[in-house]
Amino acid sequence: IAGITQAPTSQILAAGRRMTLRCTQDMRHNAMYWYRQDLGLGLRLIHYSNTAGTTGKGEVPDGYSVSRANTDDFPLTLASAVPSQTSVYFCASSDSGRGDTGELFFGEGSRLTVL
Amino acid sequence: GQNIDQPTEMTATEGAIVQINCTYQTSGFNGLFWYQQHAGEAPTFLSYNVLDGLEEKGRFSSFLSRSKGYSYLLLKELQMKDSASYLCAVKEGNYQLIWGAGTKLIIKP
Repeated sequence: IAGITQAPTSQILAAGRRMTLRCTQDMRHNAMYWYRQDLGLGLRLIHYSNTAGTTGKGEVPDGYSVSRANTDDFPLTLASAVPSQTSVYFCASSDSGRGDTGELFFGEGSRLTVL
Repeated sequence: GQNIDQPTEMTATEGAIVQINCTYQTSGFNGLFWYQQHAGEAPTFLSYNVLDGLEEKGRFSSFLSRSKGYSYLLLKELQMKDSASYLCAVKEGNYQLIWGAGTKLIIKP
């Protein structure tokens, strides 16, 4: 089934540990995104990639890094996790190259708790 | 600055009609999205407006007025499964969206 897969779905992590959230899409979308969602706040963009080989900073990039070695994969790394990074993380993709709306397709989310 | 406002929570009755409003102030405008998000799940696409007017899709309709920085989502014949959060988002450029905090819709029998 085509779509976006995130892993892990849930993780409890000790502060100071390194963590990578994985994201893979099989829709050949050019753009990919990482958002965090916290209660009472809108989705906030962490990092994005408009095409393989390029990445950009979003609204809340500090403490996070990403890479886009190929079209399908867009991992998000927390180099040294802190409790304020406790959140639900969503990976998303879109294909704006065909002149369509740029609708986002979301993964199921990764719930991360940093203690 | 950039700002998207929508009510935090609304309550409606099964079978009724509800209108969820969204007002926005952004540096650019290249379309407005509405997404539905059930608790514990990912957001899913509902509608997209880039021109003024009403877009109808089954029980759901979305309206846009660019001059007023205003949109609404209209849900008709409400069903219990419509209990969810509804997210308004504005596309500023080609890719990036600015998101509202979402409106939690509670449907009562």
